Amino acid sequence: GAVVSQHPSRVICKSGTSVKIECRSLDFQATTMFWYRQFPKQSLMLMATSNEGSKATYEQGVEKDKFLINHASLTLSTLTVTSAHPEDSSFYICSATTVTYEQYFGPGTRLTVT
Amino acid sequence: GESVGLHLPTLSVQEGDNSIINCAYSNSASDYFIWYKQESGKGPQFIIDIRSNMDKRQGQRVTVLLNKTVKHLSLQIAATQPGDSAVYFCAEWVRNAGNMLTFGGGTRLMVKP
Repeated sequence: GAVVSQHPSRVICKSGTSVKIECRSLDFQATTMFWYRQFPKQSLMLMATSNEGSKATYEQGVEKDKFLINHASLTLSTLTVTSAHPEDSSFYICSATTVTYEQYFGPGTRLTVT
Repeated sequence: GESVGLHLPTLSVQEGDNSIINCAYSNSASDYFIWYKQESGKGPQFIIDIRSNMDKRQGQRVTVLLNKTVKHLSLQIAATQPGDSAVYFCAEWVRNAGNMLTFGGGTRLMVKP
């Protein structure tokens, strides 16, 4: 069945640096990919919706210049956290879908900014 | 705005017992409802879904019930096992809304051996 991978699974970076997280759909072409953020003991918060070849749509309150999203192909989307700060530390999860409600989630990336 | 279940309660059950996890939603226009299981440090895993024109759907050891009158969704797990311990989220999907899912707050299920 549909598999979505994320890389890296864990990353530790210093404050002020940028971090790129990759999301790949391994066995299907995803027309849309989503990026979520999850704080401990909380639900998933949608950050942005990304369609291949077009600009991402960001949810209210999410800084597009802070969280850069690139959806270069039908199997790859990247999220770059620019000038990361400790408050950006979180669990970032991507999902991929075709044209239905079925979203396939990646395993998540744990970002720690020191 | 409209939302789906905004709290993270904990449900503790004995191994072998049945579990019932509840979710309240507020968007009456939702077309599908989905239950996900999330284990610690992992992404959500699809469990079962139900279309809005149904009131019950069964899977292997799981049953989802939908009560549109009171906007309530439940997940029943039969013969709960230690491997069922996780956080369970309900999510709703509205057609023509960009394929977005709206997630509820989640419920932590703890299974005691």
